[in-house]
Amino acid sequence: DAGVTQSPTHLIKTRGQHVTLRCSPISGHKSVSWYQQVLGQGPQFIFQYYEKEERGRGNFPDRFSARQFPNYSSELNVNALLLGDSALYLCASNPRGDVGEKLFFGSGTQLSVL
Amino acid sequence: TQLLEQSPQFLSIQEGENLTVYCNSSSVFSSLQWYRQEPGEGPVLLVTVVTGGEVKKLKRLTFQFGDARKDSSLHITAAQPGDTGLYLCAAYSGAGSYQLTFGKGTKLSVIP
Repeated sequence: DAGVTQSPTHLIKTRGQHVTLRCSPISGHKSVSWYQQVLGQGPQFIFQYYEKEERGRGNFPDRFSARQFPNYSSELNVNALLLGDSALYLCASNPRGDVGEKLFFGSGTQLSVL
Repeated sequence: TQLLEQSPQFLSIQEGENLTVYCNSSSVFSSLQWYRQEPGEGPVLLVTVVTGGEVKKLKRLTFQFGDARKDSSLHITAAQPGDTGLYLCAAYSGAGSYQLTFGKGTKLSVIP
């Protein structure tokens, strides 16, 4: 079975631009979470979605938004990109999104903002 | 906001040596997770510890949860080059929270 897939794998943008990152969860998983991992740091929670509803949001500005589609795939959107948005963006899925449930991570999208 | 402090930040050892990495906090956790992340990949869950004082073994890896459920350690026996990676501890931010908080990680290099 395919794992969590993310696209694109790498992306280069300039300041002020907008970016959309995509994630397909493992088949049967209804919850998707997004994390930002800056070089040298651990992943930082951005959003969790379950059954198309936002369940949790981390300490990120409103420039960050996300949505989940009926097929449980998800998009992360970032507007007005800043240099500090350069990071590895990770998507994770799990079956029910329950606290403590095992998270399955994708390989991430490496975003570079110039 | 809880903080997970991991130490050491970097560790470089020879193949066959033993090592221990630590994850500490002032907060009490209902559970704590350990992940390993290799370059260019997402983190992979190694273990979840739930009970204070719990010890779990995964081949050459031994995980311990502190009695007070505020800290945890990961011990690797006879390290191998394949153990190289970033080791992350993580815990949920509070009762009912869906936010998984990670430490900064310990970057381990095992030299053949």
